[in-house]
Amino acid sequence: DTAVSQTPKYLVTQMGNDKSIKCEQNLGHDTMYWYKQDSKKFLKIMFSYNNKELIINETVPNRFSPKSPDKAHLNLHINSLELGDSAVYFCASSQGWKGGSPLHFGNGTRLTVT
Amino acid sequence: DAKTTQPPSMDCAEGRAANLPCNHSTISGNEYVYWYRQIHSQGPQYIIHGLKNNETNEMASLIITEDRKSSTLILPHATLRDTAVYYCIVGSSNTGKLIFGQGTTLQVKP
Repeated sequence: DTAVSQTPKYLVTQMGNDKSIKCEQNLGHDTMYWYKQDSKKFLKIMFSYNNKELIINETVPNRFSPKSPDKAHLNLHINSLELGDSAVYFCASSQGWKGGSPLHFGNGTRLTVT
Repeated sequence: DAKTTQPPSMDCAEGRAANLPCNHSTISGNEYVYWYRQIHSQGPQYIIHGLKNNETNEMASLIITEDRKSSTLILPHATLRDTAVYYCIVGSSNTGKLIFGQGTTLQVKP
């Protein structure tokens, strides 16, 4: 059973489109995250939610809007896609957010904007 | 958030122990040291973490110096499947934010 699953695995779309990436975790964790890995392979946190409440929002353009319908899901919606949004997006989850609890990552969604 | 410094790359012979160093001289008292690895383009995989004491699990051992300014991840018997990028991260217990650096690319050779 996949602990943290993301869909789709690959997403190719044109500039200006709106797209969503879904994430689900079956670990019973209460905190979920979105990370972005760019072409230089740096992993940067974008958002984190604890029990559906936004905890971290890291200077991400407001074209990116996370939505957490329940604590097992954290979806990422992106409006007006730009070329620079091309990256691999990783979802993760942990039990609690105040340190000591490791993150479990999904296998990523590779977004290509043309 | 404390920063970490790791060598960009290391080689290790298959079957030998791989010792991956990490410096985190600005670590504060409530920050944990985490190790993750990323194989190819898969999601980062959690390996081990610790606060002050040395830790061991089925994957690896983590040795943290007494002053907590550096640590070493030990893979006791490296295999070809351990070839990956290894990230040493200092995690804030106040924000839950993990800041990934460039990591160490470990190449295990036959």
